[in-house]
Amino acid sequence: RKEVEQDPGPFNVPEGATVAFNCTYSNSASQSFFWYRQDCRKEPKLLMSVYSSGNEDGRFTAQLNRASQYISLLIRDSKLSDSATYLCVVNMGSGGSNYKLTFGKGTLLTVNP
Amino acid sequence: GAGVSQTPSNKVTEKGKYVELRCDPISGHTALYWYRQSLGQGPEFLIYFQGTGAADDSGLPNDRFFAVRPEGSVSTLKIQRTERGDSAVYLCASSLNRDSGYTFGSGTRLTVV
Repeated sequence: RKEVEQDPGPFNVPEGATVAFNCTYSNSASQSFFWYRQDCRKEPKLLMSVYSSGNEDGRFTAQLNRASQYISLLIRDSKLSDSATYLCVVNMGSGGSNYKLTFGKGTLLTVNP
Repeated sequence: GAGVSQTPSNKVTEKGKYVELRCDPISGHTALYWYRQSLGQGPEFLIYFQGTGAADDSGLPNDRFFAVRPEGSVSTLKIQRTERGDSAVYLCASSLNRDSGYTFGSGTRLTVV
């Protein structure tokens, strides 16, 4: 099982659609979780952290299920500017090594007019 | 500077040559990371510096790769006897400390021909 596994995509959706990305991780001791966004030929940028209680930032909602080792990202009312690759990221460190981020391969989203 | 600066932005080199990639982190950030991103993949961890010392170099693929951070600020990733398989985007990131979020630089795109 890969350490962090994401929907393979790509996703093509019309403007205004709701789209959901799923991610699973292998290490039950993982400590923190993130979604990053990466535009074409650009660096990854933190979109949001993911908490067990779930968290929302405008049109974006992230959920974490520790029991199932599952993370999700929901984008509502998608905009053209949401087109990017979305990376699921897990900090699997423990025992003092909680700095190393493990990235999924990413899921490409294209929002069409 | 305001962000993480990486130079050069692009580097084309011949197989077997030596290259150096430079990273200038955000001022005051003690933690510095190097990641490598191949086409269609998420970034993969190479090495982590806390201050001047390499706290974890477990991601370096082999002994052709080496990194330094002599004064606890700028870091240089050095690759000897480059191979075509080394072609990738090399990303540097820094953070205020081990527990805070990363800021990535825009990367160096290395092409070995």
